[in-house]
Order: sequence, then C-alpha cells, then structure tokens
Amino acid sequence: RKEVEQDPGPFNVPEGATVAFNCTYSNSASQSFFWYRQDCRKEPKLLMSVYSSGNEDGRFTAQLNRASQYISLLIRDSKLSDSATYLCVVNKQAGTALIFGKGTTLSVSS
Amino acid sequence: DAGVIQSPRHEVTEMGQEVTLRCKPISGHNSLFWYRQTMMRGLELLIYFNNNVPIDDSGMPEDRFSAKMPNASFSTLKIQPSEPRDSAVYFCASSLGAAEPQHFGDGTRLSIL
Repeated sequence: RKEVEQDPGPFNVPEGATVAFNCTYSNSASQSFFWYRQDCRKEPKLLMSVYSSGNEDGRFTAQLNRASQYISLLIRDSKLSDSATYLCVVNKQAGTALIFGKGTTLSVSS
Repeated sequence: DAGVIQSPRHEVTEMGQEVTLRCKPISGHNSLFWYRQTMMRGLELLIYFNNNVPIDDSGMPEDRFSAKMPNASFSTLKIQPSEPRDSAVYFCASSLGAAEPQHFGDGTRLSIL
C-alpha cells in the first residue's frame, strides 16, 4: 500500500457543485494532516490543516477518520477559481517530514 | 515578509554540466526541504535539513546529487554531472518543524538537453 494514495481524477464539475476528495494513508502513527493546493505551473500552497474533530474554512471542510486511515476534503459551491490539483499531505509518524500524495485534479466549468 | 526564495527560476543546460540550485528559507524556519516534481512521479522529497543538519537524504536519486546547508539562511542542491532524466521542477520549502506546514518557493524549472 502506498504511503499516501489519492484518486488522480480529473474531477470535472459545473460551477456550484459540491465535490469531495478522499485520501488514504498507510501508517497508523501519522499525526499531521494537511491539504495543499497546486495551480498549474505554480508551487504547492497550504489550503488547510486537518484536525481530528474535523474543521471548516468557508466553503472547504476537512475530515479525518483515524480508524479507516483516510482524510477527506469537501468543496461546496464550486467556483471556477477552485480548478487546481489538491494534494493530500501526511507525515509518517510524529515529528517526521511530510509525505505528499500525487494529487487530485479538479476542473470546474461554467 | 519574504517567502522562500529560489534561484534560478529557469535553467537550461547540456548534459554533463554541473547544475547548482539555490534556496533561501523563511527567516526563523528550522527545517528546509528539497523536492523534485515530474508528471510521472509527482512531488518527491529528495532531502531535508533540521537546524542545518541533513536528517533524511534517502530520496536523493544517486551520488550525482548533493545538498548542503552551510547556515540557516542558505542551501544548495547540486547535480554533477547532469543528465536529461534530471529535467524536472525542483522546489525548496521551509517550515518551523519537520511536521509543520511547509512554505514553498517558486521552484526552478530545470531542462537538461
């Protein structure tokens, strides 16, 4: 099993749609979880951290399921500007460096 | 505040040449990371430093790659000799700690002919 696994997509959705991405991780000792966003030909940028209780930032909701070892990202009311690649990021165990998934590509169309 | 600064932004060179990529992390960040990104392999961690000390270099492809961090504000990634398969975007990132959110530089787009 890969350390961090994501469906590469692409997810093609119309404006206003709700879309969800899942990401699975292999190490039960993982402690840090993030979602990053990467636009075409740009650097990855932190979108949001993922906390055990779940957290929300505007139209974005992140959830963690430790029992099943996956994290999710929900985007409500999709905008054209949400088109990007979303990277799931996890550390292998406490204090160690982050591992980036290969990303899920989202394309929002009008 | 200045973010992570990488240079050069683009580099085109012939195979066999030495390539040196440079990175200035965010002031106060203790951890620095070098990544390589390609379409096929995604974002790969090459090496990371904590307090200027290399912690994990298991991602460095082979002896042609070397990285140094002589002080808290500067790091280099060197490829010698370069090969066409080294063509990729190389990112440098820094963070307050190894497991903390990382801030990326703009990257260096490297093409080896």
